[in-house]
Amino acid sequence: EAGVVQSPRYKIIEKKQPVAFWCNPISGHNTLYWYRQNLGQGPELLIRYENEEAVDDSQLPKDRFSAERLKGVDSTLKIQPAELGDSAVYLCASSLVLESTEAFFGQGTRLTVV
Amino acid sequence: GEDVEQSLFLSVREGDSSVINCTYTDSSSTYLYWYKQEPGAGLQLLTYIFSNMDMKQDQRLTVLLNKKDKHLSLRIADTQTGDSAIYFCAETSAANRKLIWGLGTSLAVNP
Repeated sequence: EAGVVQSPRYKIIEKKQPVAFWCNPISGHNTLYWYRQNLGQGPELLIRYENEEAVDDSQLPKDRFSAERLKGVDSTLKIQPAELGDSAVYLCASSLVLESTEAFFGQGTRLTVV
Repeated sequence: GEDVEQSLFLSVREGDSSVINCTYTDSSSTYLYWYKQEPGAGLQLLTYIFSNMDMKQDQRLTVLLNKKDKHLSLRIADTQTGDSAIYFCAETSAANRKLIWGLGTSLAVNP
């Protein structure tokens, strides 16, 4: 069974440019998460979806970040415009249900803003 | 608010046991987790324990939970070089069902 797939693996952009990350969760997983992980830190939740509904986006900086999960499957996370401080690894995870004991993580997209 | 704390570094010799410690503040924690992150990789769930348990063993891994002291530990027996990674402690509560993460413990295994 394929795991959580993210693309691209790496992205380098200049500040003020837009960038988008894509996530394909494990088939059948209703819950999808986007996390940001800075160097030397634990993951920080940005947004959590239950099917196509965002049930927790309180940590998403809505002035520049947006996310969508059309049809409750794949998801994209966008930053526009990117700032230097957005450099981090963006992780996508999915779980079968919201209360599931296990969330499966993708390998992440390492974003560098120069 | 909820908080999870871990020591940042641990160095052991190959073949020794490693013990990684974690403390948390949320008294309503329901599940506590240990995740492993290797360089350039995503997070891999190693094991988890339900808050009404005090021990869980899975092959070389032993998780101990002291709910009174809000202390969680992960013991890795016969530590191998392939165990070198960052280990994250995380907890979730029935109240908000959010994962609260520690900063991670970097385990270095020396030959």
